[in-house]
Amino acid sequence: GESVGLHLPTLSVQEGDNSIINCAYSNSASDYFIWYKQESGKGPQFIIDIRSNMDKRQGQRVTVLLNKTVKHLSLQIAATQPGDSAVYFCAETYSNNAGNMLTFGGGTRLMVKP
Amino acid sequence: DSGVTQTPKHLITATGQRVTLRCSPRSGDLSVYWYQQSLDQGLQFLIQYYNGEERAKGNILERFSAQQFPDLHSELNLSSLELGDSALYFCASSVSGGVTDTQYFGPGTRLTVL
Repeated sequence: GESVGLHLPTLSVQEGDNSIINCAYSNSASDYFIWYKQESGKGPQFIIDIRSNMDKRQGQRVTVLLNKTVKHLSLQIAATQPGDSAVYFCAETYSNNAGNMLTFGGGTRLMVKP
Repeated sequence: DSGVTQTPKHLITATGQRVTLRCSPRSGDLSVYWYQQSLDQGLQFLIQYYNGEERAKGNILERFSAQQFPDLHSELNLSSLELGDSALYFCASSVSGGVTDTQYFGPGTRLTVL
């Protein structure tokens, strides 16, 4: 079943192309950022993370870039595959007197065309 | 499979009723988190427990409550249900509940309030 909003921004790419998903975060005090992937009917799945003292981190086929000056985060997926089709969420973590808070962005739907 | 289990998978109930959602964290994880995912609000953090004690609280309504038991499983209680409470409820777990701990999400419980 569908698990996320119907009006998400959508990125449509051809199989084999590179994908770039962008995210603007809100809190300049955030010190840890994560990208999650959510397939239809499933819970969010951790992809990659980055701390605020870094500006780039690479994983397998994925790269996360962090620009703290403009509070922007991006996820690059190399050689996009049909199995990458999902909704992608960025999340930021910061601490306040209520504890450690993980705040999710609105999500971007990635559609991979074979 | 993240190792986090949630029951039930689906729940249909009427306004005014009370329901209990259950979560078992990954083996070895001490911290449990609850999130609500609705079409208009996206993924919202509700509450976090660590080793039986409340650690952080987000946008959780007073009609909602949670607890974590000595065996580390957690329950989210939703009472006086309203139509707007219809959503997906996710549980996540992490090792120690720290800011940079990776949170692993369960498959969710879909609640429908009629």
